[in-house]
Amino acid sequence: NAGVTQTPKFRVLKTGQSMTLLCAQDMNHEYMYWYRQDPGMGLRLIHYSVGEGTTAKGEVPDGYNVSRLKKQNFLLGLESAAPSQTSVYFCASSYADPVTDTQYFGPGTRLTVL
Amino acid sequence: AQSVTQLGSHVSVSEGALVLLRCNYSSSVPPYLFWYVQYPNQGLQLLLKYTSAATLVKGINGFEAEFKKSETSFHLTKPSAHMSDAAEYFCAVSGGSYIPTFGRGTSLIVHP
Repeated sequence: NAGVTQTPKFRVLKTGQSMTLLCAQDMNHEYMYWYRQDPGMGLRLIHYSVGEGTTAKGEVPDGYNVSRLKKQNFLLGLESAAPSQTSVYFCASSYADPVTDTQYFGPGTRLTVL
Repeated sequence: AQSVTQLGSHVSVSEGALVLLRCNYSSSVPPYLFWYVQYPNQGLQLLLKYTSAATLVKGINGFEAEFKKSETSFHLTKPSAHMSDAAEYFCAVSGGSYIPTFGRGTSLIVHP
């Protein structure tokens, strides 16, 4: 049981390049989330999904797109990377109601945009 | 709407001393409250959560937190700090239809 995994662990991009971060969970969770973590800012929600085929915007969605084609996977895309998107990105999942349920986090992806 | 304030970006204690990490929340609906811990280079993991049952919540690794509605607080405590407790701690609040909002985090430093 791997829990929540994220690919890749590290990535360096040049401004304007695109990339996709992959999150996978093997716990059959309905809900999945993408956060970014910046020093002194805590975790901020980018996008989330309440089930296969659904996505919704979080607190800081601009510059990102997401897709949830399969229940176990949640992809985060950057179409044209900017230095302001340099951050650590965490994926999380929860079984049911995100208001009360525990979130399970992946190990993170450290992204640097030059 | 909801928000969380964690007082002190860094807290430093000696090994064996009391740990107190402060969290105050604001919520327009009855809140659910969480404490998560992040060890270096890892994702977050749940320490404990309050979901409207007992106001004193016990978590893993000897941590506990008390929900005080009158003070809008959910402070995290541990009677005796251990070196392995050094980590970043995040308080989060949710409620109604709101997905948890996280605080900015408090870094706990434990001195030998």
